Amino acid sequence: DAKTTQPPSMDCAEGRAANLPCNHSTISGNEYVYWYRQIHSQGPQYIIHGLKNNETNEMASLIITEDRKSSTLILPHATLRDTAVYYCIVRGSIIQGAQKLVFGQGTRLTINP
Amino acid sequence: DAGVIQSPRHEVTEMGQEVTLRCKPISGHNSLFWYRQTMMRGLELLIYFNNNVPIDDSGMPEDRFSAKMPNASFSTLKIQPSEPRDSAVYFCASSLGVAEAETQYFGPGTRLLVL
Repeated sequence: DAKTTQPPSMDCAEGRAANLPCNHSTISGNEYVYWYRQIHSQGPQYIIHGLKNNETNEMASLIITEDRKSSTLILPHATLRDTAVYYCIVRGSIIQGAQKLVFGQGTRLTINP
Repeated sequence: DAGVIQSPRHEVTEMGQEVTLRCKPISGHNSLFWYRQTMMRGLELLIYFNNNVPIDDSGMPEDRFSAKMPNASFSTLKIQPSEPRDSAVYFCASSLGVAEAETQYFGPGTRLLVL
């Protein structure tokens, strides 16, 4: 699986959009980009995933660059409950071990009132 | 809808005792995963099942660890004998399948402390 790089920490004001970057410059054509988050003392929570196109759901939007070497997770209106560690994960095919989610260090996002 | 259910949520035991962690996957999911999270190693996959069959147990640390899935709605992770270095949070996750587009959903975890 391709390695991902994320900033270790970020701050965002409550009510503003939180934009979390992820670099995955070695991603290959069949690898998906997944985002999870982990709120303190809870299990990882799925947020969103995408392959090539931008994606949006009730939680967030995922913007993937045209060359797919980086992506941005957008929380449109951050609340205090969005304070968590956010993980960007690249998943390959089953042959490449897609069943194993490899969690890096993630980005610790703090939403400030 | 009920998510992944794990029990117990917290477990404190003494070194040498047997520990059994339990997991009920989301109904209809065919794949089940056991992960362990520690400060030093982060989140790591221990073993996963597909259709109740263990597929890859290469992440199981040693023979003291064993996992079973007797049916589609129940799995156990057993540590016998337990050691202080097994202290961690153990997560169970399930998904419809194991393909790269199949999302894994995690349970709340079992926080294990071995004294």
